Amino acid sequence: NAGVTQTPKFQVLKTGQSMTLQCAQDMNHEYMSWYRQDPGMGLRLIHYSVGAGITDQGEVPNGYNVSRSTTEDFPLRLLSAAPSQTSVYFCASKRTPGQPYEQYFGPGTRLTVT
Amino acid sequence: AQSVAQPEDQVNVAEGNPLTVKCTYSVSGNPYLFWYVQYPNRGLQFLLKYITGDNLVKGSYGFEAEFNKSQTSFHLKKPSALVSDSALYFCAVRAASNDYKLSFGAGTTVTVRA
Repeated sequence: NAGVTQTPKFQVLKTGQSMTLQCAQDMNHEYMSWYRQDPGMGLRLIHYSVGAGITDQGEVPNGYNVSRSTTEDFPLRLLSAAPSQTSVYFCASKRTPGQPYEQYFGPGTRLTVT
Repeated sequence: AQSVAQPEDQVNVAEGNPLTVKCTYSVSGNPYLFWYVQYPNRGLQFLLKYITGDNLVKGSYGFEAEFNKSQTSFHLKKPSALVSDSALYFCAVRAASNDYKLSFGAGTTVTVRA
């Protein structure tokens, strides 16, 4: 198993550009989520999904879109990048919603918006 | 609203000495509590969790944590620290009744000196 994979590892965008951060897992996990990590703030939940076709907002959803067309993939789209979106983004998955399983995290994408 | 506090930004210990990383939480109802570790330029890795039962939870790499309901704390401990334990540690909480929101603390950087 590759676990949770994320691409790209690094990205630099100009203000106003759009892009998609890719996330995939090969563990057949129903639950997937996106977090951003900022210094001194821990991880904050952006969006999550409890299964294919089902997504919902987390704590900081503004400026981001998600979709879940398959169990394996959960891309995060930045519609119009802003410097405030400079951060490290982590995708995570876990086996089943509603159960206290731990989450598995990808290696992260470091995004800089200039 | 649920929240996690990690009162120490940094913890420094000598190799072989006991290591404690503090965590207190606030949540409605029963908590599910987690500890994750992040090594430089890596994603988060699960260490241990408290769901119910014995207040002392044992996890990976010789770590353990004690759940204290009256003090709403879940401190991470290791009896004898190793240089390789140097990393960023995150405490996280969710309400047992709410699967969809896992709240993280800001993180504590642990440095173990040889």
